[in-house]
Formats: sequence, C-alpha cells, structure tokens
Amino acid sequence: NAGVTQTPKFRILKIGQSMTLQCAQDMNHNYMYWYRQDPGMGLKLIYYSVGAGITDKGEVPNGYNVSRSTTEYFPLRLELAAPSQTSVYFCASSWTSGGAGTGELFFGEGSRLTVL
Amino acid sequence: GNSVTQMEGPVTLSEEAFLTINCTYTATGYPSLFWYVQYPGEGLQLLLKATKADDKGSNKGFEATYRKETTSFHLEKGSVQVSDSAVYFCALSGRNTGGFKTIFGAGTRLFVKA
Repeated sequence: NAGVTQTPKFRILKIGQSMTLQCAQDMNHNYMYWYRQDPGMGLKLIYYSVGAGITDKGEVPNGYNVSRSTTEYFPLRLELAAPSQTSVYFCASSWTSGGAGTGELFFGEGSRLTVL
Repeated sequence: GNSVTQMEGPVTLSEEAFLTINCTYTATGYPSLFWYVQYPGEGLQLLLKATKADDKGSNKGFEATYRKETTSFHLEKGSVQVSDSAVYFCALSGRNTGGFKTIFGAGTRLFVKA
C-alpha cells in the first residue's frame, strides 16, 4: 500500500521560476493538505481540500496555488519562486466523515525545496 | 483560536531514562489530541491519539492522557531507547468551518545516547 506519495523529493529553483509539487494518495481519503516545515518550526498549513473540486486557504497560502480535480491527486503550484519559499513541503491526507472523523493525518515523505 | 504549546528542545537523555515531553493546548469545544513522530529524513507518522477527556493513548511504550482540566496531553515513556531519537509533535484537531484542521506544536527534538 503506497499511502501518500510526493514527488520530487528534492528540487533547487532559481528566483522567479515556477514548479509543481505532486501528491497522490491511494487510500480514498476525502481530505488532503499541504504543509510546510521550516527549521525549528512546526508545520504551517498552506492549503487544504475537503473533496474533489473544493479547496481552501490555510495559514500561509501566499505564493501558492492548488487544485483538486480528483480524489487521488492534490498538486501544489509555486509561482515566481522566492527564497522565503525554501522549506520542506509535506502532503497529507485523512478520512473525515461527519462527526466520526478524528482528523488523523497520513503524511508523505516530504519534498525539500531550495530557492536560490 | 486553537493553539498547541510544547516544551522546547532539544531533550538529551541516556538510554533507559524516563521521558516526559510537556504539551498544553488551547481549543474551543472538544478536540482530538495527537502525538506525531518524525524520524530523520522521513515524514510525520502518528504515534498515539486520544479523542475525549481522560482517554489514554498508547503505542510502542509511549503514553499520553487527555487532561481537560489542565488542558494537557503530556507524552511519557518509562525507558527510552536510542531508536526513539526523533522529533515529536503534539497536535490537536477540531472541526472548523469547512472541515477538520490540525494544529501542530513547534516540535521537540529528542536525542537518546547509548
């Protein structure tokens, strides 16, 4: 069972370039999330999605875009990369159903992005 | 709003020592509480969880009890091993408009020496 798969694992970008981080999950989870983790800091929520076709902003959405055309895929787009976007990015998913969901998250292995 | 505060690290212990990592939270309603662990070079994975007051979550020798009266969810282990070296995150999850969101603490790095 693959779980949550992220690509690429590492990437170096120049200032102003754009790229897409890919995320796929095979657990049929309805909720998906993108977090960034900066050194010595906790995780900050960038965007999340409660189902195909529905996305919403988290705490730090500026400079990013997402889409969710299917249940399985939730790509994160970086437009005009800036040094402040140097971070480790984690995709996660969860199953939530009415009042029964407990919000347990399943994480990918992360994508380390450096913007120079 | 919701928030999680956990003790700053790093925490350095010798093998077989007792571990406590403190975690307190602020939340409206009745959130679920979690401890996640991140081993070097890996993503986070769930260590244990508790969904209501007085619940005790446990896994791999780690325990934490959901204390609503003190708004705490401290992580404990009686005898740590070198393989427990990792970063530990306390987190809470509660229903907000649009669905569940998880709030993480800053993480506590644990080093265990042989």
